[in-house]
Amino acid sequence: QVTLRESGPALVKPTQTLTLTCTFSGFSLSTSGMCVSWIRQPPGKALEWLALIDWDDDKYYSTSLKTRLTISKDTSKNQVVLTMTNMDPVDTATYYCARYTNSLHHFDYWGQGTLVTVSS
Amino acid sequence: QSVLTQPPSVSGAPGQRVTISCTGSSSNIGAGYDVHWYQQLPGTAPKLLIYGNSNRPSGVPDRFSGSKSGTSASLAITGLQAEDEADYYCQSYDSSLSGPWVFGGGTKLTVL
Repeated sequence: QVTLRESGPALVKPTQTLTLTCTFSGFSLSTSGMCVSWIRQPPGKALEWLALIDWDDDKYYSTSLKTRLTISKDTSKNQVVLTMTNMDPVDTATYYCARYTNSLHHFDYWGQGTLVTVSS
Repeated sequence: QSVLTQPPSVSGAPGQRVTISCTGSSSNIGAGYDVHWYQQLPGTAPKLLIYGNSNRPSGVPDRFSGSKSGTSASLAITGLQAEDEADYYCQSYDSSLSGPWVFGGGTKLTVL
């Protein structure tokens, strides 16, 4: 059974760095073809893809946000970490992590999401 | 604005059929990349509804179907039920600087 769960602060101040952790079970990021991605959704708005890391430690970032994002993995802990620097109120959103398989090219399992509010 | 274009809203009465379009371009759907659909019920995370243009994951009713042609894709829902009221998103891969993974702007389905 595949599960993912996001964790991190609910509130961050403008200019601070956000660190989110995705803890997953039911698969291994050391298995060929496995990937974990981060996707966010501002309140009342659409989904926006942010970043993806694959089993080979290759990393992909949204062009518009790549200077602010870093994605990493700890395979032994079954965790993927996303950091986003210089947070702004427009970054207020629910942040989801999701599993992606290279063979099927879609996000098949999602975490419940964590709401991050950026406010002073 | 989103790389993939969806109508903001659609509606239908119980039992009716509705379709949701997803229009892309030559760098995503038109380039041959698959389209996937997600259903997001109120207050919950998105759930995979259709993958690979027209395939349903286990547990998804056959009332839901997908198709793709040219630079567009469609999601059809037949026998509309109250529990289908949700937001629906299409997703594909994009080879331009907009990508690589892109979502539509979402469509709110209202069951009248």
